Amino acid sequence: AQTVTQSQPEMSVQEAETVTLSCTYDTSESNYYLFWYKQPPSRQMILVIRQEAYKQQNATENRFSVNFQKAAKSFSLKISDSQLGDTAMYFCAPNSGGSNYKLTFGKGTLLTVNP
Amino acid sequence: DAGITQSPRHKVTETGTPVTLRCHQTENHRYMYWYRQDPGHGLRLIHYSYGVKDTDKGEVSDGYSVSRSKTEDFLLTLESATSSQTSVYFCAIRRSGVGGELFFGEGSRLTVL
Repeated sequence: AQTVTQSQPEMSVQEAETVTLSCTYDTSESNYYLFWYKQPPSRQMILVIRQEAYKQQNATENRFSVNFQKAAKSFSLKISDSQLGDTAMYFCAPNSGGSNYKLTFGKGTLLTVNP
Repeated sequence: DAGITQSPRHKVTETGTPVTLRCHQTENHRYMYWYRQDPGHGLRLIHYSYGVKDTDKGEVSDGYSVSRSKTEDFLLTLESATSSQTSVYFCAIRRSGVGGELFFGEGSRLTVL
């Protein structure tokens, strides 16, 4: 079974600063995708960013970017210019590849952005 | 808006009673999923479906069954609810095409007393 480790249960950052959330995973797949999801207090699961494992270039979405190191099986999320609305639980989730596309989620990191 | 509706959104029930949660999609996607979310565990896959009448187990399937008799509906049933099944349940769909990301419903909070 695939395992996903988010080693930081909680983090905090000051508004406008940069924060990095870490994620490591274990997979036997060679081609797969990785995702970061955000869950604000509303409980809605929101896709933040997607990375394709066969692409060496790190994905970027506005203030969100990833540092993907395939050999190390590491997939960290960097949030620049943090905003109060970034306060949420963040989940790392690689998929299992193959034909069924099951996502395995980490336990999450609770990020608090302080004014 | 991913076109996913979960019902009921909140339910309180007693130990030993049957419970069915419904997930309805409006977009005709093949893959549908049921996850549960508990503090300290993230989201864990219960069951998933890859077509009408085609379902398979996830990592925490004990005590749960599912059915998918038509594309748009995926039902999760707790035959005899237990307190350990108190949780927030999320349904998700996978849109076809690149990526494989899932789009989630708003969740159903179930409390088993």
